[in-house]
Amino acid sequence: DSGVTQTPKHLITATGQRVTLRCSPRSGDLSVYWYQQSLDQGLQFLIQYYNGEERAKGNILERFSAQQFPDLHSELNLSSLELGDSALYFCASSSYERETGWADTQYFGPGTRLTVL
Amino acid sequence: AQTVTQSQPEMSVQEAETVTLSCTYDTSESDYYLFWYKQPPSRQMILVIRQEAYKQQNATENRFSVNFQKAAKSFSLKISDSQLGDAAMYFCAYRSPFSSGSARQLTFGSGTQLTVLP
Repeated sequence: DSGVTQTPKHLITATGQRVTLRCSPRSGDLSVYWYQQSLDQGLQFLIQYYNGEERAKGNILERFSAQQFPDLHSELNLSSLELGDSALYFCASSSYERETGWADTQYFGPGTRLTVL
Repeated sequence: AQTVTQSQPEMSVQEAETVTLSCTYDTSESDYYLFWYKQPPSRQMILVIRQEAYKQQNATENRFSVNFQKAAKSFSLKISDSQLGDAAMYFCAYRSPFSSGSARQLTFGSGTQLTVLP
């Protein structure tokens, strides 16, 4: 167990709908990353937040948005859903590891499997 | 932009034997970080091992070790005494250093599906 939680585990919805995926990072982690894993495009970075602020954007569609709240949990909002948005969406979190000196190793949640029908 | 290549889509190994998964990457940065993640059938992404590019010593974690060849931009994963539980998709990943100003996201390879034969 990585300590990162994601809800829901599975989501089935229809085209054109909007869904919200939720992520709670490991205790104390300030950074949250969102990734999409699809069969045709592999694992792709979507967006990063650090302590409530957007830090980096990857291949995130304009129909997608995210935010990180004061309690550090994050939500990924997907709207006007299309069949091609069906994928596994991962959240990862990271922080400085005092014991090892490693900074920013990303630990992944179990993912949310989105199916758009 | 950095790219990560895993040229072996599938590999198989006999239980208790050793297997090596290949990974190459392309970067113009001199300092960076490399990772191997494992994705079993549960689909959870699990960190296996990590390596800092400035360290010449290869990282090891129990039965897992890497062969890091910086000049060749190669980062292979060796699994010794393979176990049935090692069966999974393995992803190699690259991350830029903080100093580069680049974003800290992971760039992943396409993965190698490892089958462990009893």
